[in-house]
Amino acid sequence: GESVGLHLPTLSVQEGDNSIINCAYSNSASDYFIWYKQESGKGPQFIIDIRSNMDKRQGQRVTVLLNKTVKHLSLQIAATQPGDSAVYFCAENPHNNDMRFGAGTRLTVKP
Amino acid sequence: NAGVMQNPRHLVRRRGQEARLRCSPMKGHSHVYWYRQLPEEGLKFMVYLQKENIIDESGMPKERFSAEFPKEGPSILRIQQVVRGDSAAYFCASSPPIPQTKLFFGSGTQLSVL
Repeated sequence: GESVGLHLPTLSVQEGDNSIINCAYSNSASDYFIWYKQESGKGPQFIIDIRSNMDKRQGQRVTVLLNKTVKHLSLQIAATQPGDSAVYFCAENPHNNDMRFGAGTRLTVKP
Repeated sequence: NAGVMQNPRHLVRRRGQEARLRCSPMKGHSHVYWYRQLPEEGLKFMVYLQKENIIDESGMPKERFSAEFPKEGPSILRIQQVVRGDSAAYFCASSPPIPQTKLFFGSGTQLSVL
């Protein structure tokens, strides 16, 4: 089965607040991780990635944190906006280019 | 540079018919992946192909399902003798021939089996 899982299936935040979405992975051989955003009726869209030689990477309003010791990945979204409402997936790449996805977290932003 | 193109966008089949889903990768991408997604669920890996080769089909059912990525033309996911349980969104993704790189996804094909 898939080796990537998520702690929270749903997350509701107030507009303007920061969001944190968590992900656990079980394959210690994984050394490349990606966060995707999927809006209703659309395909997943790349947000940010991180390799195992890093523990933090920042993008525009998003930060990914990687804790290899406990095999945990998180996505932080600063100043969450209504347009951030979507399902967020983490994915890992343990070998070759075989990307495996977690179950996803639905983020709802309240105005 | 067009993105990953999937067609049809919606496909309706009756039980027992065949479904053929097409995926044209981004220009320059030689790797194609197929994923299946049920409502309110995650993406389940099905198969990973390079041109004319199946690299990993561990997520694809052994019966009724097949995939190909010919030298010329799109990748095809074929489902024979469809059953109601095959109803799902099928997403295709592509990537360049670079190890451990992000995948680019198409908009998916929604298969409905009546």
